[in-house]
Parts: sequence; structure tokens; C-alpha cells
Amino acid sequence: DQQVKQNSPSLSVQEGRISILNCDYTNSMFDYFLWYKKYPAEGPTFLISISSIKDKNEDGRFTVFLNKSAKHLSLHIVPSQPGDSAVYFCAASGDNQGGKLIFGQGTELSVKP
Amino acid sequence: NAGVTQTPKFQVLKTGQSMTLQCAQDMNHEYMSWYRQDPGMGLRLIHYSVGAGITDQGEVPNGYNVSRSTTEDFPLRLLSAAPSQTSVYFCASRRASRFNQPQHFGDGTRLSIL
Repeated sequence: DQQVKQNSPSLSVQEGRISILNCDYTNSMFDYFLWYKKYPAEGPTFLISISSIKDKNEDGRFTVFLNKSAKHLSLHIVPSQPGDSAVYFCAASGDNQGGKLIFGQGTELSVKP
Repeated sequence: NAGVTQTPKFQVLKTGQSMTLQCAQDMNHEYMSWYRQDPGMGLRLIHYSVGAGITDQGEVPNGYNVSRSTTEDFPLRLLSAAPSQTSVYFCASRRASRFNQPQHFGDGTRLSIL
């Protein structure tokens, strides 16, 4: 039972364009969502998060949107840069999860020069 | 700043062997956890701890043991390695047991079981 799903295993975009990574969840009790970025041979690093009381959070080139009614969140990267090429994981948590993070399968983003 | 340190980085074992994956953090974080990453599966939680002396099971705990005798260290033990445990293992920590804090990850241990 996959509570957090990233249905696109990979995404390729041109440098300077927008990258949109999507994530769906099934548990309506989740109320905190995060995006992590992972380069090969390194651990995931925290990128951006959003609480369920918001529908948007921005940090520089990165914006996360949350649609609670659709149980959907997305990460927008504008403009995309070659250094953004990595695997992106979304994750969710909530009080009823005992503090545990539930991760999606990941989306590999490739930004071509 | 060391952050979360995992050792070893690589290990090859034979089926049935035992080993301990080490994890140490220097941020005085109460919450620590172990994940495994497999292709197409994302990161799956194995065990976690909300403080010294307290551990609990995650999504995929079978075949693994943990203990938390100090705040800094959270070792993961494989008592009898199986090929299905071939994976990349990540240790993570965060400041408190509250869920709205991002976790800090180590660089992983790549484990192959022959």
C-alpha cells in the first residue's frame, strides 16, 4: 500500500525551462510534506517543505504547491539548471505517523544544456 | 561539520554472515532512523528511535536489529544476511520527535549480499 506515489520515474527538461515534479498521497491525515534531492553516491538532502495549512511555499527557484482536496503536491523549479539533475523524493508525515516520514519512489530529473 | 556519519561506505557479505552498519551524529538529535533504498521503491523505513533506549519498527524491520544506547549512535545489525538485503542503507536524524522537522541523512552504505 503505497501511501505516497511519484508516478513519473524520470523527467527530462531543457536548461532554462520549468521542471514540474508531481507527487500524490492517499492518507488524508498527512499534514507535513517535504521534497528531498539526491545526487549519486550521496545521501538525500532537504530541499523544501510545506505544511498543510498552506498551499504554496517558495524558496528561490523552488516552489512547492499543495492541493489538499486532490491529495497532490508538486515541485516547480524555475529556471532549471544542469546542476538540478538529480533524483527528487517527496515525503509526507503527520501526527498519526508517529513522526515517521513516508517517501515516494523518486523522480530522476535530467536538465539538458 | 560532520553531521551524520555512516560506516562502512561499501560492504560485500556472504549469505548467512552478520555485520553492523554504524551511524553516528554530532548534532544532538533525539530522533534517528534507518532507511533502505531499492530501485523503484524509494526510501523505506527499517527502524527508528525517538531517543536513547527507545526504538521501534518501521515498514520493513524483518532481518534487522537496532539499539540506541547513546544519543549519538544508532547501529543497524544484520544477524544473518540474505540476498534480499542487498541495498543502499541510509541513516538519518532530526532535532526532535516532532514530525515537522526535516531529517539529515548520511551518505549511505552500499551493501551487497552474495
